[in-house]
Amino acid sequence: EIVMTQSPATLSVSPGERVTLSCRASESVSRNLAWHQQKPGQTPRLLIFAASTRATGVPARFSGSGSGTDYTLTISNLQPEDSAVYYCQQYNNWPPVTFGQGTRLEIK
Amino acid sequence: EEQLVESGGGLVQPGRSLRLSCVASGFTFGEYAMHWVRQAPGKGLEWVSGISWNSGSIGYVDSVKGRFIISRDNARNSLYLQMNSLRLEDTALYYCVKEYYGMDVWGQGTTVIVSS
Repeated sequence: EIVMTQSPATLSVSPGERVTLSCRASESVSRNLAWHQQKPGQTPRLLIFAASTRATGVPARFSGSGSGTDYTLTISNLQPEDSAVYYCQQYNNWPPVTFGQGTRLEIK
Repeated sequence: EEQLVESGGGLVQPGRSLRLSCVASGFTFGEYAMHWVRQAPGKGLEWVSGISWNSGSIGYVDSVKGRFIISRDNARNSLYLQMNSLRLEDTALYYCVKEYYGMDVWGQGTTVIVSS
């Protein structure tokens, strides 16, 4: 099973700043990596797939990068509505599909 | 609009069974793999089970192997999860999810509470 490890666990950042969230896989997932955003009380929403492709309707200030085992989600010009938990997910070769434990982002 | 609607959750005693259903609309259901993902109260996302478009490939997380069975009926645009021998730790919100380069469409979820 591929283990996904996200860092940091929590983050508190001011509006307008830029933040980078990290996700490391225990083995290569060949850019078969997605990022999901889950706001409090809401269903998860796909932000990024194939490591760097934004899903439909996702603002350009969300960007993904990485390869092999290391991936990042960068959010520029942070907005109050970006407060959420962000999960990375690998789908390289299921079963199983695996998620990271999540990074909780708080906008001050 | 692509949509997934789950049903079948509820309060059940340990050891009993429950069958979840998910009805899809707005896309060609039979062309996509589908998954069940759960989220225990206050916890993260956990993949439970997945099934390929033609049911030829099926997988489960280790904790539910031998207890849960995933299936689909492409003619009815429906996905199912038969949950047997339920445990306290199966308590969660269960999401039906469509796979397209990751998981691109999520249902609203159905809540399963296992309690005596």
